[in-house]
Amino acid sequence: DAGVTQSPTHLIKTRGQHVTLRCSPISGHKSVSWYQQVLGQGPQFIFQYYEKEERGRGNFPDRFSARQFPNYSSELNVNALLLGDSALYLCASSLGREGQPQHFGDGTRLSIL
Amino acid sequence: QQPVQSPQAVILREGEDAVINCSSSKALYSVHWYRQKHGEAPIFLMILLKGGEQKGHDKISASFNEKKQQSSLYLTASQLSYSGTYFCGTGSNAGGTSYGKLTFGQGTILTVHP
Repeated sequence: DAGVTQSPTHLIKTRGQHVTLRCSPISGHKSVSWYQQVLGQGPQFIFQYYEKEERGRGNFPDRFSARQFPNYSSELNVNALLLGDSALYLCASSLGREGQPQHFGDGTRLSIL
Repeated sequence: QQPVQSPQAVILREGEDAVINCSSSKALYSVHWYRQKHGEAPIFLMILLKGGEQKGHDKISASFNEKKQQSSLYLTASQLSYSGTYFCGTGSNAGGTSYGKLTFGQGTILTVHP
């Protein structure tokens, strides 16, 4: 079975641009969570979506937004990119129920010039 | 608040044991352990729910002490493949629906030498 897939794998943008990152969860998983991981640190929670509804939001500015589609895939959008947005963006999917693990994709490496 | 992991780094020889600790200042509902190798996605190791249970996974096991708000990951008879950065992720939303929100520690770098 396919794991969590993310696209693109790498992306280079300049300050002020916007970006859309995509995630396809494991088949049967209805929950998708997005994390930002800066080099040398643990992943930091951005959003969680379950059954197409936002169920959690981390401490990120409104420039960050996301949505989940009927097939449970998800997009993360970031507007007005800043140098500090350079990071690995990870998507994790799960069944969304108590005690269920999250499985991560390989991430999108975003570099802002 | 971010859980605190200790030690920050540990170096082992093959066959040696290690313990990685994860402490939180907030009441914990669950603790999730992951291993991440450089340039790769975090790989799920195990999840522990409140109740002080201990779980095993081959030569890797973990405990969860709800009263002390901490978890420990035990690596026995380490192998070269155990090298990587270990993260604990804590969940504190008991009974809610935000099971997808984990707060991760800063990581423990484990290096196993032949």
